[in-house]
Amino acid sequence: AQSVSQHNHHVILSEAASLELGCNYSYGGTVNLFWYVQYPGQHLQLLLKYFSGDPLVKGIKGFEAEFIKSKFSFNLRKPSVQWSDTAEYFCAVNPLGGYNKLIFGAGTRLAVHP
Amino acid sequence: NAGVTQTPKFQVLKTGQSMTLQCAQDMNHEYMSWYRQDPGMGLRLIHYSVGAGITDQGEVPNGYNVSRSTTEDFPLRLLSAAPSQTSVYFCASSWGLEGEQFFGPGTRLTVL
Repeated sequence: AQSVSQHNHHVILSEAASLELGCNYSYGGTVNLFWYVQYPGQHLQLLLKYFSGDPLVKGIKGFEAEFIKSKFSFNLRKPSVQWSDTAEYFCAVNPLGGYNKLIFGAGTRLAVHP
Repeated sequence: NAGVTQTPKFQVLKTGQSMTLQCAQDMNHEYMSWYRQDPGMGLRLIHYSVGAGITDQGEVPNGYNVSRSTTEDFPLRLLSAAPSQTSVYFCASSWGLEGEQFFGPGTRLTVL
C-alpha cells in the first residue's frame, strides 16, 4: 500500500537553529509532492510543492525541500527557524495517474522556543 | 473569494445521532474531497468527487455518505454517529487531477 513516513513526530528547537524534517514515501511511479503547515487553531496551508524540474524547491517563509528520487524522499529544510514557525508540518504525496488523492504522513509537531 | 468554507466549526453529537457537515467552494473547482484528521495519523481521505453527480470512496468511507448536486457544495453526512468518528474534518478542493488542494478551516466533531 502507498504510504508516507515522517520520521520525527516531535521536534523542539531554539530560535535561529536549523531545521530538517524527513519525509519518505512508498510508491514506485511518478508523484507530486507537497509540504503543508498547520499553525495552531488554523487550517492547512501549502508551504511548497514539487511537480517536476529542479528537485530543490523553494516555498513560502524561507522553507525549501529537496526531492531525491532514488531515496523516495522529500525532506523539508529551513536554515534558521523563528518562534512563529511553531506548527505541525505534513508531508503529502499525490500518486499520479488517478484521482488527485493526497496521502499524508502522520505529521511533525515543531515547537520553537525563543 | 472566500475559498473553501465549512460549517459548523464545532459540533457535539450523541451516539446514534445524524448530522451533515457542510462544505462549499467558490473557486469553480471540479475536484472536492473530505478528510479526517486524527492524532498521529495525519489526514485520511473519506470520500471524494470529480464533478457534480460523481462521487467515490476514499480510504475510510464507512459511516459516511456524500453527494454532489452542484459544483460548489459537497456535504458529508454522518448517518448514525459513533465515538470512533470523533475527529477533525477537512474539506478540500482542487483544479484538476494533479493540482494543489485548498483546504477549509475544519470542523471539530465530538461524539459522546
